[in-house]
Amino acid sequence: GAVVSQHPSWVICKSGTSVKIECRSLDFQATTMFWYRQFPKQSLMLMATSNEGSKATYEQGVEKDKFLINHASLTLSTLTVTSAHPEDSSFYICSARQGQMNTEAFFGQGTRLTVV
Amino acid sequence: GNSVTQMEGPVTLSEEAFLTINCTYTATGYPSLFWYVQYPGEGLQLLLKATKADDKGSNKGFEATYRKETTSFHLEKGSVQVSDSAVYFCALNNNNDMRFGAGTRLTVKP
Repeated sequence: GAVVSQHPSWVICKSGTSVKIECRSLDFQATTMFWYRQFPKQSLMLMATSNEGSKATYEQGVEKDKFLINHASLTLSTLTVTSAHPEDSSFYICSARQGQMNTEAFFGQGTRLTVV
Repeated sequence: GNSVTQMEGPVTLSEEAFLTINCTYTATGYPSLFWYVQYPGEGLQLLLKATKADDKGSNKGFEATYRKETTSFHLEKGSVQVSDSAVYFCALNNNNDMRFGAGTRLTVKP
């Protein structure tokens, strides 16, 4: 299947700093990528849909100024957590689909963010 | 709207036991259905899928059949192993709207 690579796999940062997470589709072009947040022992919470060449679409309740998403190319989307605080500590996962309707999503390996 | 409901866990089984994780969905039209597995500290991996009614998805001994009449996609495995311990997510994709169930944690004991 298609491969989605997410980097870094874990990061520890100080409160008030910003952290960038990259999501790359390695062997296909993804016009749309998705960013999820997962709390311990819970399901995935969709944060935003990242569209190549246009602004991301954020889910209700997600602060777009705090979680900056850039989809610079057909193979790269980035999520920047700005002015991170301990409550932003979580597992962040990206996914991408190959553009056809009703196809499966391919997921990155996730990024464990810890804000201290 | 589109939604997925799966049985709540956690589920604990002994090795070689039979596994069923129930999943039902709500959707208009003809969604594709999926089961994903998440191992600790990792992202989700596609386990199997079915794209139309009566299709059976299968992989690594797991099976699920797309039942439109009961709007279900139950996951089954005849004999689980310790290595199957993970969280399992049922999902659907209906016209690019992808929805996930809450996840079911499976623990298999030797």
